[in-house]
Amino acid sequence: QVQLQESGPGLVKPSETLSLTCSVSGDSISAYYWTWIRQPPGGGLEWIGYIYGSGKTHYNPSLRSRVSISVDTSKNQVSLTLTSVTAADTALYFCAKERGSRGQLVIWFDPWGPGTRVTVSS
Amino acid sequence: YELTQPPSVSVSPGQTASITCSGDQLGDKFVSWYQQKPGQSPVLVIHEDRKRPSGIPERFSGSNSGNTATLTISGAQSLDEADYYCQAWDSSTAWDVVFGGGTTLTVL
Repeated sequence: QVQLQESGPGLVKPSETLSLTCSVSGDSISAYYWTWIRQPPGGGLEWIGYIYGSGKTHYNPSLRSRVSISVDTSKNQVSLTLTSVTAADTALYFCAKERGSRGQLVIWFDPWGPGTRVTVSS
Repeated sequence: YELTQPPSVSVSPGQTASITCSGDQLGDKFVSWYQQKPGQSPVLVIHEDRKRPSGIPERFSGSNSGNTATLTISGAQSLDEADYYCQAWDSSTAWDVVFGGGTTLTVL
């Protein structure tokens, strides 16, 4: 059974770079899509982007200039980097496994990790 | 592409709760639904409009037609109190994955 666990610094200063890691167990990251999603305090879910195990990525257009997602197959980890952060990037960050088939125009997310909270503040 | 949900829905215990999700020609896309309880990560309750993952009670069901998808909880229980989010994939735009704004279900 696949399990995901996010980790990160917790507190990041404005204008700095946020780096998060999602450790995957029970599955090889090479053959699947992995997604990052965030949720601001008291807010809804926002899709950040995905990576396929081969390295193919796609990002939310509103974040594309600042976001990067990568994989480390040797560690079975997926990483998220977000540059030039502001208070608006304060959120709970989740990684999730993508299910379904893009070829059949259907995808969903299951399971999700417990999330890691990030606060942007000086 | 946008998905619109009502901010809140209330239902009496044992009654049926319906949570809607609206979007342009949403019936042409597949919709998934997630349940999120306070302090927890979202849990998939419906995928591909109407399919329940293993472990999800039969009282959860889904439908999708026209511009509206609906999550129905038959015989709602207090443990169903949570936020519910719909999600679709718009392959025609750069936005890719879209979530609704979420609906808080209150059972009282």
